[in-house]
Amino acid sequence: DAGVTQSPTHLIKTRGQQVTLRCSPISGHKSVSWYQQVLGQGPQFIFQYYEKEERGRGNFPDRFSARQFPNYSSELNVNALLLGDSALYLCASSTSSEGATYEQYFGPGTRLTVT
Amino acid sequence: AQSVTQLDSQVPVFEEAPVELRCNYSSSVSVYLFWYVQYPNQGLQLLLKYLSGSTLVKGINGFEAEFNKSQTSFHLRKPSVHISDTAEYFCAVEAAGNKLTFGGGTRVLVKP
Repeated sequence: DAGVTQSPTHLIKTRGQQVTLRCSPISGHKSVSWYQQVLGQGPQFIFQYYEKEERGRGNFPDRFSARQFPNYSSELNVNALLLGDSALYLCASSTSSEGATYEQYFGPGTRLTVT
Repeated sequence: AQSVTQLDSQVPVFEEAPVELRCNYSSSVSVYLFWYVQYPNQGLQLLLKYLSGSTLVKGINGFEAEFNKSQTSFHLRKPSVHISDTAEYFCAVEAAGNKLTFGGGTRVLVKP
């Protein structure tokens, strides 16, 4: 079975631009979460979606938004990019969002560089 | 709110020697505990998890961890490391609803 897939693998953007990152969860997984991992730090929670509804949001500005589609894939959008948005963006999927789900499966990430 | 502290940012260790990576957490509610490994230019892979029951948890690749509720710790150990264990290791807690809180990571460098 395919794992969590993310696209693109890498991208370079300029300050002020907008970017969309994509994630396809493992088949049968209905929950998708997004994390930001700045170089040298642990991942930080951005969003969680379950059944197309936002179920959790981390401490990130409104420039960050996300959505989940009927096929459970997800997009993360970041507007008005700043240099500090340069990071590895990780997507994780799991089977449910009811309480703790015990295990999230991570994709390989999208490396975003803002110049 | 939860927080996770990994006490060592880097741990150099010789091949076939034991290694221990320390993790302390704080939380006002019961948590679930995880250790993830991240190889260069890759995502995170789950090593092991503590949900309930036995405080000694065994994971993949010969790793194990012990949950100590009184000390709020969840240290990771491996009795004999290989070169291939060179990676970054993250401790994480989850209180409810999929939001993982990660520590800052411990970089393990295995030397021949």
